[in-house]
Amino acid sequence: EVQLVESGGDLVQPGGSLRLSCAASGFSVSNNYMGWVRQAPGKGLEWVSVFYSGGSKYYTDSVKGRFTIARDDTRNTLSLQMSSLRTEDTAVYFCTKGVYSGRTPLMAFDYWGPGILVTVSS
Amino acid sequence: EIVLTQSPGTLSLSPGERATLSCRASQSLSNNFLAWYQQKPGQAPRLLIYGASSRATGVPDRFSGSGSGTDFTLTINRLEPEDFAVYYCQHHGGSPPVFTFGPGTKVDLK
Repeated sequence: EVQLVESGGDLVQPGGSLRLSCAASGFSVSNNYMGWVRQAPGKGLEWVSVFYSGGSKYYTDSVKGRFTIARDDTRNTLSLQMSSLRTEDTAVYFCTKGVYSGRTPLMAFDYWGPGILVTVSS
Repeated sequence: EIVLTQSPGTLSLSPGERATLSCRASQSLSNNFLAWYQQKPGQAPRLLIYGASSRATGVPDRFSGSGSGTDFTLTINRLEPEDFAVYYCQHHGGSPPVFTFGPGTKVDLK
C-alpha cells in the first residue's frame, strides 16, 4: 500500500529555517516524480516543487533560492529544506507522488500525504 | 505562464443533480496535461481525472472530464452527499515546466 507521511512542521520566526521530510512506503521514490504542494489557511492549492526520477528539480518562482528539494533513495524519503522563511510561507505542506501510465508520467499527483503545518510568525 | 480560471466560484446544488465545473486556461494546453482533484475539509486532495478525461483508479464513473485547448469541464452526474467538496483543476507545462492549480470551485448543498 502506498503511503506518504510528512514530518518536521513547526512554528518558526520570519527569516528562519525548517526542514520537512516525507517518508514513503509501498513504492520507491527513486522511480517516481515526487512533489510538494502547499495550502495557506483558507486558500487554494499551490505547487511548490518537483523532483523527477532522472534528478531534475523545479520550483515555483516565490521559493526559488530559498527552498531546496532533495531525495534520499536509501531511506526512501523526500525532503524540503526551507530557509529565509516569510509569513506568506505559512501553509499546510503536502508531499505528493506522481502518477504514471506504465512508464509514461501523466503530470498529476495520485497519492498525497495528510499534510504538515508550517507556521511562520514572530 | 499559463493561468487557470475556474468557474463558478461556488455551485449550490442538491443531491441527484448534475454539476458542471469549468476550467479555462489563458493559453491553449497543447499537451492536454489537465487534471482534476477533489478536496474535502481537513483532508488531502484526491486525484479524480488526469489527461483531461481519464478517471483515476477507484473514481466512480459519475465523474467525467472533457475538453481540449483552453476549455475543460468536470461533470459530476447524480451528485452524491459525499461529492460536496472543493474541486481544483491543475496543468503541467511551460518553460521551465511547472505545475499550476486553478483557484477551485466549491460545490455545496443547496
